[in-house]
Order: sequence, then structure tokens, then C-alpha cells
Amino acid sequence: DAGVIQSPRHEVTEMGQEVTLRCKPISGHNSLFWYRQTMMRGLELLIYFNNNVPIDDSGMPEDRFSAKMPNASFSTLKIQPSEPRDSAVYFCASSFLAGGEGEQYFGPGTRLTVT
Amino acid sequence: RKEVEQDPGPFNVPEGATVAFNCTYSNSASQSFFWYRQDCRKEPKLLMSVYSSGNEDGRFTAQLNRASQYISLLIRDSKLSDSATYLCVVKTNTGGFKTIFGAGTRLFVKA
Repeated sequence: DAGVIQSPRHEVTEMGQEVTLRCKPISGHNSLFWYRQTMMRGLELLIYFNNNVPIDDSGMPEDRFSAKMPNASFSTLKIQPSEPRDSAVYFCASSFLAGGEGEQYFGPGTRLTVT
Repeated sequence: RKEVEQDPGPFNVPEGATVAFNCTYSNSASQSFFWYRQDCRKEPKLLMSVYSSGNEDGRFTAQLNRASQYISLLIRDSKLSDSATYLCVVKTNTGGFKTIFGAGTRLFVKA
């Protein structure tokens, strides 16, 4: 199995630029999660999808953040415009059981630096 | 009060030692509990689920105490390779599943 695939692995951008993070979940998994991890705040759930439908986006920090899942094999997290405080590692995870009851498999993460 | 709290550590223990971590949660309606392990600059990976009856996997034992709202992880005969951050995870069904990770407990096992 290829596991959860994320791209890019590293992203350095200037404040104000648009950033798009990509995720390919494990084939057959029907739940997808986006997390952000920082030293100060730990691992935070931003949004999760079940069968491509957003279920809970209460963790999305503000309107600058948006996430889409156009099909079962692809999701994006977009930040527009980016700010230095968005610097973090962004993880995508997927799971098989509906509602996120099962084990979540994490991708390697995208390390974002906004200068 | 945070919904899921862990002692951040670090715990510094010699090889062969037994070490235990606790994690407390605030929502009594929480339903599912897990321990994840995260190595430095890597993604979190499931270590084990935590069941009401307690469960064991080799040197690792996890327990749940619903009355006191905490879960624990015991590592026996620590190995150098056990050095990592251990994350407590609590899931609550609030119409959709809410997943909360603890901030993690860092463990260093020394030779």
C-alpha cells in the first residue's frame, strides 16, 4: 500500500501568497482528515470529510482556510492569503470506518513556512 | 481546562525501566480512546486502541478508567527505540465524530 500521500512535503512562501496542500487518501478509505501541528498548540483537527462531504469544519481557523474533496481520492487545503502564523506542519489522515471510529493513517505531512 | 490533558514530560528513563503515562479527558460522553506514537519530524502512528477491559500488546499495556476519566499507557522493559512522543487521542460522537489529540508526552530512553 502506498499509504496517504501528501504534496508538497515542504513549502516556503511569502506572506499574502496562496498556498495549496494536496492529499491522496488510502484507497477504500471513506473518511479524510486535515490536521495542523505546531509546538504551541499541538495537533489540531481542522476539518474532516466522510464520503467526500465535509462533516465538521469547526477547527478551520478562519475564512482564509478552505478545504475541498472533489472525489474519493483527492483533497486540497487552501490558505489564501497566507500569514506567518500559518507556519506549521499540516497532516492529512484517512480512515476506513465511517465517522472516524477506526484507526487514522497519517500522511508524512507538509511543512509550511510563511515568511 | 483542556479537553484532553497529558503531562508533557520529558520522561528520561534507563533501558529496561518501566514507565507509565496518564491522560485525562473532560467529556464523560467520550467513546473511543487511543494511544499514538510520533517520532521526531514524523507523522503520528497508532500504537494501540484502549478498551474498557484493558488491553496488552507485548510490552505495552493500556487501560481506561471511565469513572475517573483517564487512560493510561504502561511500557515495560523500555528500549532505546521507544524514545518518542506518545499522544493520547479521545473521540466523542457529537453528531459527527470529534477527534481530540493530547499535546503528547515525550519519552527518552537512555542506554
